[in-house]
Amino acid sequence: GQQLNQSPQSMFIQEGEDVSMNCTSSSIFNTWLWYKQDPGEGPVLLIALYKAGELTSNGRLTAQFGITRKDSFLNISASIPSDVGIYFCAGQISSGSARQLTFGSGTQLTVLP
Amino acid sequence: ETGVTQTPRHLVMGMTNKKSLKCEQHLGHNAMYWYKQSAKKPLELMFVYSLEERVENNSVPSRFSPECPNSSHLFLHLHTLQPEDSALYLCASSQEPASRDTQYFGPGTRLTVL
Repeated sequence: GQQLNQSPQSMFIQEGEDVSMNCTSSSIFNTWLWYKQDPGEGPVLLIALYKAGELTSNGRLTAQFGITRKDSFLNISASIPSDVGIYFCAGQISSGSARQLTFGSGTQLTVLP
Repeated sequence: ETGVTQTPRHLVMGMTNKKSLKCEQHLGHNAMYWYKQSAKKPLELMFVYSLEERVENNSVPSRFSPECPNSSHLFLHLHTLQPEDSALYLCASSQEPASRDTQYFGPGTRLTVL
């Protein structure tokens, strides 16, 4: 099956620092998604990318859909304590009646005061 | 986001029990999904329902039995589970055919099998 390699697995950063994480795949996806999951909650969509090369921002978050359609990165600028959580990338294939998401294993982000 | 709700939020059960997880979506979507999330592992897709028909069953053991009575409700019936089935079970929904929208997740049910 399809697999996503997400890195790093965990990060410890100081408040105010920028953060970067990425996902790579051996397969092509037609959509890349970035989710954040807080403890005890389900994943919440942060950014969706629909075209190769697309660069999209959502506040302090910026994500890009790789030209090859096999990778994506997420940047968080000027981190704050509420950025703590697990960030997941997901590649999506839509097949008409339903859509298939393949998830990375997540990046656990800790922001130190 | 309260578009997808799940009950119960926490469940502890013995291996001989029978229980059900419930998911309800208030987004007007027509596809619903069950995922399993275990520690240190990617989310695993279990079942997909589109227009109340099951379109995907990812080799899930028969001790998990899904039910989708209508496009707003999804159940996961559990019986004779194993301790390794302990995990966070997430429900999601989407609108199909494919559009720019994507899946929206519920908060999950934390299941512990003793």
